[in-house]
Amino acid sequence: DSGVTQTPKHLITATGQRVTLRCSPRSGDLSVYWYQQSLDQGLQFLIQYYNGEERAKGNILERFSAQQFPDLHSELNLSSLELGDSALYFCASSKSGGGGQETQYFGPGTRLLVL
Amino acid sequence: AQSVSQHNHHVILSEAASLELGCNYSYGGTVNLFWYVQYPGQHLQLLLKYFSGDPLVKGIKGFEAEFIKSKFSFNLRKPSVQWSDTAEYFCAARSSGSARQLTFGSGTQLTVLP
Repeated sequence: DSGVTQTPKHLITATGQRVTLRCSPRSGDLSVYWYQQSLDQGLQFLIQYYNGEERAKGNILERFSAQQFPDLHSELNLSSLELGDSALYFCASSKSGGGGQETQYFGPGTRLLVL
Repeated sequence: AQSVSQHNHHVILSEAASLELGCNYSYGGTVNLFWYVQYPGQHLQLLLKYFSGDPLVKGIKGFEAEFIKSKFSFNLRKPSVQWSDTAEYFCAARSSGSARQLTFGSGTQLTVLP
């Protein structure tokens, strides 16, 4: 158990819908990262938040957005869902900004299926 | 562009065989390197990491990796695999400069036959 929690574990929804994935980082970690794991794209970085502020952006679609709240939990919002958005979404956390000798610890993931 | 390549998509070994999984990276400057493992139905777990110093790093469960700067490689090794090592293995890299996110390789599925 890495200490990073994600809810829900599984999510089944229809095209065009909107969903929210939630992540709680390890105690004391200030950074949260979101990754998408799909069969065709592999594991890809989406976005990082550090202490409530967006820190880095990767291959995140405009239909997707995220935020980090004062208690440091983060939510990833996926809207106008398409079949291709079906994937495993991982959250990771690290102590501070993510540089230096920091390690990212991953949560169990949320499996999203868009029908 | 920064990238990480894993040469083998699927490796099948018998128990007690030795393992070497290849990983090459393409990064400018100083790089931090990681190997993560994903057991079936589970999340990514850190096996080992290299930041600096001794290029031979030891991780959990008997795994080790060697950083060879001249070859841009960070291969994962284990002298004798067990059935419980069946999992997917991911190599990842991060520039130790301003970029914080990890770039992952495509993963290698290891199947160990009992």
